[in-house]
Amino acid sequence: RKEVEQDPGPFNVPEGATVAFNCTYSNSASQSFFWYRQDCRKEPKLLMSVYSSGNEDGRFTAQLNRASQYISLLIRDSKLSDSATYLCVVTLNDFNKFYFGSGTKLNVKP
Amino acid sequence: NAGVTQTPKFRVLKTGQSMTLLCAQDMNHEYMYWYRQDPGMGLRLIHYSVGEGTTAKGEVPDGYNVSRLKKQNFLLGLESAAPSQTSVYFCASRHTGNNEQFFGPGTRLTVL
Repeated sequence: RKEVEQDPGPFNVPEGATVAFNCTYSNSASQSFFWYRQDCRKEPKLLMSVYSSGNEDGRFTAQLNRASQYISLLIRDSKLSDSATYLCVVTLNDFNKFYFGSGTKLNVKP
Repeated sequence: NAGVTQTPKFRVLKTGQSMTLLCAQDMNHEYMYWYRQDPGMGLRLIHYSVGEGTTAKGEVPDGYNVSRLKKQNFLLGLESAAPSQTSVYFCASRHTGNNEQFFGPGTRLTVL
């Protein structure tokens, strides 16, 4: 079983739409959670960390549900530049290993 | 400040050939990682290092070796390349106490 599971998409949305992705993780001992963004044929870059209380960064909101073992990413007022693949990442308490989901592809259309 | 760099960017090998991928970082990071990314599989950890002179196995270490003789460099070796090792290889580093990983631009390797 994969450590981290994501819907591969693609999610095709118009500009200005609100879109949400979920990600589930299998290990209840997972401690830290992140969303990374990866543009086509580029390296992943950290989008935001996910805290237990949830956190917001501009148009992006991330939430964690430990009981159901999933994290979510909400993007409001989608921009064309948001088109990318969003990777869910979890780590255990040693922080040595990071487990990446296979990513959810988002296409924002004009 | 170049961040994380990888050499080479592209390479085509024949089955059985060997090669070394070089990762270098100029941020004085303790942790360094080698991942491979395949379609539909996400990034999978090959090997990692928590400091100069130390290495450890990740999820998919078979067929690869690594060395971290200098803090700024992390080398990934393929002794006898196989077509199953065709992939995009990413190196990453991070500072102790900071969970953000910084990635290099990747190496696209094809094994024929």
